[in-house]
Amino acid sequence: GDSVTQTEGLVTLTEGLPVMLNCTYQTIYSNPFLFWYVQHLNESPRLLLKSFTDNKRTEHQGFHATLHKSSSSFHLQKSSAQLSDSALYYCALSDGPSSGQKLVFGQGTILKVYL
Amino acid sequence: EAAVTQSPRSKVAVTGGKVTLSCHQTNNHDYMYWYRQDTGHGLRLIHYSYVADSTEKGDIPDGYKASRPSQENFSLILELASLSQTAVYFCASSDTNTEVFFGKGTRLTVV
Repeated sequence: GDSVTQTEGLVTLTEGLPVMLNCTYQTIYSNPFLFWYVQHLNESPRLLLKSFTDNKRTEHQGFHATLHKSSSSFHLQKSSAQLSDSALYYCALSDGPSSGQKLVFGQGTILKVYL
Repeated sequence: EAAVTQSPRSKVAVTGGKVTLSCHQTNNHDYMYWYRQDTGHGLRLIHYSYVADSTEKGDIPDGYKASRPSQENFSLILELASLSQTAVYFCASSDTNTEVFFGKGTRLTVV
């Protein structure tokens, strides 16, 4: 079945440094949809950004990611971390609208940003 | 904004007891989902539904039942709660071309 791997369980950064959270996936589907969800403490997960177009950068709220089908990756990046970015980040995969938006999530990466 | 409301927000249940988690959405979405969140496992799909009166098994359905009596309501039922079912449960809704909207979660502790 489909799977998503986030290799870092915890990433700690000083404010102002760049952020990169890794995400790789496995799927038999040739046109997967990839997502990043963010969950702040005691809140529900919410969509941060999504993509289904190969090699196209997608951006939202200062974060960006590019879907690379050749390497099955969808890493999340930000040029300068802020204290408010501290949260749990999930990479997720779906087969697209035909599967009813069923999401397969990675294990999650906690991002902690310090002064 | 899309609204998904879960009740209760937290619950303590005894081993072997029956637990029902409820979810109500006002988004007019066809699809509803129940996910379980555990540290180190992320969010895993338990059951989902495309239409009222029909449910489908997700990736980890064992020990859980689901019920979708109407478009707006979707329940998750633990007939015989076990310690291993202690987790945070999220309900969500979506349509074909919308993002998935999550509720605030239910923290279930089985003792």
